[in-house]
Amino acid sequence: DIQMTQSPSSVSASVGDRVTITCRASQGISSWLAWYQQKPGKAPKLLIYAASSLQSGVPSRFSGSGSGTDFTLTISSLQPEDFATYYCQQANSFPPTFGQGTKLEIK
Amino acid sequence: QITLKESGPTLVKPTQTLTLTCTFSGFSLSTSGVGVGWIRQPPGKALEWLALIYWDDDKRYSPSLKSRLTITKDTSKNQVVLTMTNMDPVDTATYYCAHSPGWSSYFDYWGQGTLVTVSS
Repeated sequence: DIQMTQSPSSVSASVGDRVTITCRASQGISSWLAWYQQKPGKAPKLLIYAASSLQSGVPSRFSGSGSGTDFTLTISSLQPEDFATYYCQQANSFPPTFGQGTKLEIK
Repeated sequence: QITLKESGPTLVKPTQTLTLTCTFSGFSLSTSGVGVGWIRQPPGKALEWLALIYWDDDKRYSPSLKSRLTITKDTSKNQVVLTMTNMDPVDTATYYCAHSPGWSSYFDYWGQGTLVTVSS
């Protein structure tokens, strides 16, 4: 199985900050990477697929980059509704695997 | 619009078999490339993919759980069913079903999830 490692595990930031979350795959996955946002008690929401493609309806302050083994999710200017947990997921090969999550908290 | 909803027992006893049904609308599981998957999340923990079934009845399973899982579809009813045998307390989790687009294993629409507790 491909292991997905996110860093940091948690981050504190303020409204308006720029935040970057990193995801590393244990082997190359080309651009087969997705990012999800999950709020407490809710299902995950797809934000980014194919490493950098913005899912329909997702605000443009979210962006993704990377290929191979190293990927980033950037939120350009944090909004109050962005405080949540973020997961990366590789879709290069079965089984699909998720990172352990990054909790974004209000400073 | 695409919606999915999970249904099934909220409490099962150890060693019992869990049967969960995902009822969906807004798409057809006979459309080329489309799939429906199951993902679970123990309380306070990360997401874990379980199984995925595609429009052509191609079925994929988590290797670590393959011996315990069966996924089937009923296209006429717009349903996907997941069974998991020999349930254990460590299987306590919220179980989600989700739509997978275009020959991928991304999940773009999710059900609300159903919490299943395994306890005697």
